[in-house]
Amino acid sequence: EVQLVQSGTEVKKPGTTVKISCRVSGHTFIDYYIHWVRQAPGKGLEWVGLVDPEDHETIYAEKFQGRVTIIADRSADTAYMEVRSLTSEDTAVYYCASPGTPHVTRYFHHWGQGSLVTVSS
Amino acid sequence: DLQMTQSPSTVSASVGDRVTITCRASQNIGSWLAWYQQKPGKAPDLLISKASSLESGVPSRFSGSGSGTEFTLTISSLQPDDFATYYCQQYNSHAFTFGQGTNLEIK
Repeated sequence: EVQLVQSGTEVKKPGTTVKISCRVSGHTFIDYYIHWVRQAPGKGLEWVGLVDPEDHETIYAEKFQGRVTIIADRSADTAYMEVRSLTSEDTAVYYCASPGTPHVTRYFHHWGQGSLVTVSS
Repeated sequence: DLQMTQSPSTVSASVGDRVTITCRASQNIGSWLAWYQQKPGKAPDLLISKASSLESGVPSRFSGSGSGTEFTLTISSLQPDDFATYYCQQYNSHAFTFGQGTNLEIK
C-alpha cells in the first residue's frame, strides 16, 4: 500500500519560512513524481509544483516561482517543500500527492494527509 | 494560462437523483482530465482519469465523458456517501489546474 505521510501543523509569522515534509512508502521513491497542492480555508485546490525524485527536476506554478523550493531526498524517501516570505494568504492545508504510474505525471492517485500551515502575527 | 471552469458551483439533490457536473477548459486539453471527490477534512480521492476511465474501487454509478474543452461527471443514482465536493483537474504540458469545485449537497 502506497502511503504519503506528512509533517504536522505549523504556525508561522509573516515574512518567515516554512518547510514541510512528505515521507513515501509502498513504492519505489525515485520512480514517481511528487506534487504539492494547497487548499486555503474554504477554498479550492491549487497546484504548487512538482519534483522528479529520479533527476531532481522541478516545475513550479508561475505564481510560486522564486518563493517555493521542492526537493527530494532519495536517501530518506522523503520530499520537502519550503515556502519563503510567508503572508496570511499562504494559510492553507498543503498536500503532497503522487501519480499511480511510474515516470508519468498527469493525475494524483495517492495523497498525504495534509499539513496545516497558519500564518499569523 | 489555461483555466478550468466548473458548473454549477453548488448543486442540491436527493438520494437516487442523477447529477451532472460540467468542466470547461479554456483551450483544448484532449482527454487529459481527471475528477476528484473531497470530503471535509480529507484529502481528495481520484475518481476518474483520462476523462472517462473509472479508477479501481470507484462505484460504477460514477462516469465521465468529454474531450477537447468540455467534460462532464455524472452520478447516475446518488447515494448518501456521494455528498461531497467534486473537482476537475487538467494536465497540459506540465501545468496542472483544478476547477473551482462543485459542492454537492443534500436537498
